Amino acid sequence: NAGVTQTPKFRVLKTGQSMTLLCAQDMNHEYMYWYRQDPGMGLRLIHYSVGEGTTAKGEVPDGYNVSRLKKQNFLLGLESAAPSQTSVYFCASRRRGGIIDTQYFGPGTRLTVL
Amino acid sequence: GQQVMQIPQYQHVQEGEDFTTYCNSSTTLSNIQWYKQRPGGHPVFLIQLVKSGEVKKQKRLTFQFGEAKKNSSLHITATQTTDVGTYFCAAPFGNEKLTFGTGTRLTIIP
Repeated sequence: NAGVTQTPKFRVLKTGQSMTLLCAQDMNHEYMYWYRQDPGMGLRLIHYSVGEGTTAKGEVPDGYNVSRLKKQNFLLGLESAAPSQTSVYFCASRRRGGIIDTQYFGPGTRLTVL
Repeated sequence: GQQVMQIPQYQHVQEGEDFTTYCNSSTTLSNIQWYKQRPGGHPVFLIQLVKSGEVKKQKRLTFQFGEAKKNSSLHITATQTTDVGTYFCAAPFGNEKLTFGTGTRLTIIP
């Protein structure tokens, strides 16, 4: 099992460019999440999905869009990148139900917007 | 929105000293989780506490959940260099998502 994988690992964009971050999980988890991590801010939820074909806004959704066309994949899109979106992006997944609600994180994507 | 406050933000300790980080919520929590993130790494689940007053131990780590289920702590005894990293608490608000504390970054002075 690869767990949760993210591509790319690093990316540098110019202001106004667009890109898509891909998250894939092989644990058959229903729930998937996108977070951004900035110094001193902890992990902030951007968008999440509770199942294939469904998405919902998190704490900081502006400037981002997501899609969950397949259960194992969760895409995060930046349509017009801004320097304020320079951050480390983490994807996570967890299964629905169960006693323990563990979230499993991917290795992260380090994005710089110039 | 719902918040989980975590203190301190940073902690520098001599190797062998103890370390504690605290989380507080203004509302009663159904459970609280703790994660560790090594430098350059990703958060990794450590433990979940569910019961009022619960105490769980993992080797040198002791996790506590308050009687009112509004606060929690993580205590590391006799820190080692392998303990370096950022420790996050996280709590569910609703069934679907977690709110993370801002984390406590632990550095060890050899």
